[in-house]
Amino acid sequence: DAKTTQPTSMDCAEGRAANLPCNHSTISGNEYVYWYRQIHSQGPQYIIHGLKNNETNEMASLIITEDRKSSTLILPHATLRDTAVYYCIVRHDKAAGNKLTFGGGTRVLVK
Amino acid sequence: GAGVSQSPSNKVTEKGKDVELRCDPISGHTALYWYRQSLGQGLEFLIYFQGNSAPDKSGLPSDRFSAERTGGSVSTLTIQRTQQEDSAVYLCASSSRIGVNSPLHFGNGTRLTVT
Repeated sequence: DAKTTQPTSMDCAEGRAANLPCNHSTISGNEYVYWYRQIHSQGPQYIIHGLKNNETNEMASLIITEDRKSSTLILPHATLRDTAVYYCIVRHDKAAGNKLTFGGGTRVLVK
Repeated sequence: GAGVSQSPSNKVTEKGKDVELRCDPISGHTALYWYRQSLGQGLEFLIYFQGNSAPDKSGLPSDRFSAERTGGSVSTLTIQRTQQEDSAVYLCASSSRIGVNSPLHFGNGTRLTVT
């Protein structure tokens, strides 16, 4: 799987947009970008995923650069309940079972 | 709708005992995955099932670990002769199908403590 690079931690202001960056410079054409988050003592929660187009759902927006080497997850109005570890994952269609490989993620503190 | 359900939520066992962890995937989901997360660590893939195909056991750490999925639905992860290093949160996930465009949905895990 293509590796991802995320900041170790970020602070975000409550009520403001939170922009979480992710670099995946070795991504290949058939790999999707996935975002999950994990709130303390819970399982990972699916947020959003995309291939090359920007995506938006009720939780967040995903902006993928044209060269697909980086992406940004946007939480439009961060709340205290958005405090979590956010994982950016590149998912390869050739990985067995298309399993997700989690890295270290970004620890986001909303305050 | 109902999500992935795991039981028990917490399990304390003595070293050397066997344990069984249960996962009820989302109804209709054909793919099922087991992961574990040790304290302060990332998620480690263990095994996955897809329909009637042979499971991919490539992530199981030792032959003390096994899993089965009966009737294409409920799955049980069994750890024999538990060791203290088996202490972790065991997470189950399911997806509607195998495919890179199909998200995994996780349960809240079983926290296993081996004393």
